[in-house]
Amino acid sequence: AQKVTQAQTEISVVEKEDVTLDCVYETRDTTYYLFWYKQPPSGELVFLIRRNSFDEQNEISGRYSWNFQKSTSSFNFTITASQVVDSAVYFCALSTAGANNLFFGTGTRLTVIP
Amino acid sequence: GAGVSQSPRYKVAKRGQDVALRCDPISGHVSLFWYQQALGQGPEFLTYFQNEAQLDKSGLPSDRFFAERPEGSVSTLKIQRTQQEDSAVYLCASSLAGTSGGFYEQFFGPGTRLTVL
Repeated sequence: AQKVTQAQTEISVVEKEDVTLDCVYETRDTTYYLFWYKQPPSGELVFLIRRNSFDEQNEISGRYSWNFQKSTSSFNFTITASQVVDSAVYFCALSTAGANNLFFGTGTRLTVIP
Repeated sequence: GAGVSQSPRYKVAKRGQDVALRCDPISGHVSLFWYQQALGQGPEFLTYFQNEAQLDKSGLPSDRFFAERPEGSVSTLKIQRTQQEDSAVYLCASSLAGTSGGFYEQFFGPGTRLTVL
């Protein structure tokens, strides 16, 4: 069975602070994909990143960075120098090679206070 | 626009009514997915189409839920005899190819918020 846990329900930070959103996943498959999506108040899920299970290299994209560690089954997401526009619900998701769908965590609501 | 569109954006139904939710995927996208998102939760998979074929409907919660994609493009999710527990946001997503689900990015629509009174 596949499972994604986002233990942080809500996080508030002051603008320009760094923030890390945690994601822990469970799967018995050796081939799988991990995702982060952003859901702003408009409701539409916006794709941020996809990593496959064979690529543990960390990735940086502007103010965003992701830390993938298979040893701890974690795929954490860090926003550097947060901005008010980063306020949203962030979802971590998992897909396996044999499945068609995404398994989502329960999301972390990030509020950036100006 | 070039994204996934859904209609209506909001739907209020009385308990027992039938509803139909529409999804227009990105042109050329082979795969189409429906998800249900309850308040404060992550989206949960309902069903998957590859072109017009419904290959996976394991997430449909009951036989009151029915989805179709007759010509391999537009899809409709129908809920018969709606109940209060059906209140949720229904999200549609499409992706380019029909291979294993995680390899290609899924593009999501804005969702339809269904409220059953």
